[in-house]
Amino acid sequence: SQTIHQWPATLVQPVGSPLSLECTVEGTSNPNLYWYRQAAGRGLQLLFYSVGIGQISSEVPQNLSASRPQDRQFILSSKKLLLSDSGFYLCAWSVWGQSNQPQHFGDGTRLSIL
Amino acid sequence: ILNVEQSPQSLHVQEGDSTNFTCSFPSSNFYALHWYRWETAKSPEALFVMTLNGDEKKKGRISATLNTKEGYSYLYIKGSQPEDSATYLCAFRNSGYALNFGKGTSLLVTP
Repeated sequence: SQTIHQWPATLVQPVGSPLSLECTVEGTSNPNLYWYRQAAGRGLQLLFYSVGIGQISSEVPQNLSASRPQDRQFILSSKKLLLSDSGFYLCAWSVWGQSNQPQHFGDGTRLSIL
Repeated sequence: ILNVEQSPQSLHVQEGDSTNFTCSFPSSNFYALHWYRWETAKSPEALFVMTLNGDEKKKGRISATLNTKEGYSYLYIKGSQPEDSATYLCAFRNSGYALNFGKGTSLLVTP
């Protein structure tokens, strides 16, 4: 069976510090991968998605970047965090090439910026 | 960003009550409508992916309908149980990869 791991679960960072959140998927090959953020009082917003190694698409302009160095690894990064980067970050995967499959989510990372 | 609206924002029912929520989405360029259940301290769990106008899906006591022409979907829970307490999210997809989520309906079922 497929599993998705996301870490850390919680993170408290000062403004201006760097960020690296990691997500890995097991039990499937070449998944579509996604990073979402839920800011306070708002719905889940797609930040990035990837359909293959090294292929990243950004949905909204922002202070964050994403990378996919391996087939089942998806990393969310920032060089300098802003207060507005606070929120709950979720990684998800779906089956590649089957457009009407559901997305499967990790447990999320609660990021607080001080 | 496509506007997906869910109502009500929150709902409190007694065990055994049946309930329903609404998801409204743009009626143009429809590709799929997803429903997820998100329990506290857990990750969102997929309930349904719906693609055809008039589609109805069922999973146990939970069912959903879809009207793509008018841009809405209903989620029904029959005989609510305390374990149904969660936030129910809908998400609309047009031709791209992005899922556009609503803010969710928070359901509390008390014994």
